[in-house]
Amino acid sequence: DAGVIQSPRHEVTEMGQEVTLRCKPISGHNSLFWYRQTMMRGLELLIYFNNNVPIDDSGMPEDRFSAKMPNASFSTLKIQPSEPRDSAVYFCASSPRPGSGNTIYFGEGSWLTVV
Amino acid sequence: RKEVEQDPGPFNVPEGATVAFNCTYSNSASQSFFWYRQDCRKEPKLLMSVYSSGNEDGRFTAQLNRASQYISLLIRDSKLSDSATYLCVVKVDTGFQKLVFGTGTRLLVSP
Repeated sequence: DAGVIQSPRHEVTEMGQEVTLRCKPISGHNSLFWYRQTMMRGLELLIYFNNNVPIDDSGMPEDRFSAKMPNASFSTLKIQPSEPRDSAVYFCASSPRPGSGNTIYFGEGSWLTVV
Repeated sequence: RKEVEQDPGPFNVPEGATVAFNCTYSNSASQSFFWYRQDCRKEPKLLMSVYSSGNEDGRFTAQLNRASQYISLLIRDSKLSDSATYLCVVKVDTGFQKLVFGTGTRLLVSP
């Protein structure tokens, strides 16, 4: 079975550019999460969708960040304009139950470097 | 104060050693507890859940002390393949069930 699929795997971009990260959750999973991981802060939840509806976006750092889930099989996380401090690994994860259930399944991550 | 705190390590141990990691959490209403494992440049994956009575999975033993808000992971007979970062994870209900991750403890097992 295919796991959570993310793209791009790696992106290097210049400060001020728009970055779009993409995610395809596991088929049948109702919950989708976007996390950001840095050495200093670890894994932080940015936003959680349930049945394509954003439930909690309190972790979104600022207005430069936006996320959408137009259908059950696709989500995007957009940063516009990007800044060097946005450099991190962005993980998408999905879960078959509302909220985190007992486990969530992560994609391989999108490694973002903003120079 | 962070919601979930771990010693970042690294813990350097020889093969065959026993090593223990600890974790504390601040939210007394936390419902469930887990250990995730993250290999270098990979995604986190569930290692095991942590039950109140303590539980074992092969060489791995997890324990929970709700009164002290403390979780532990014990690895016996360490293997080279155990080298990874171990993330302590707590589930809280903030209107929805949310997993809060510690920053992880890095383990290096050497020959």
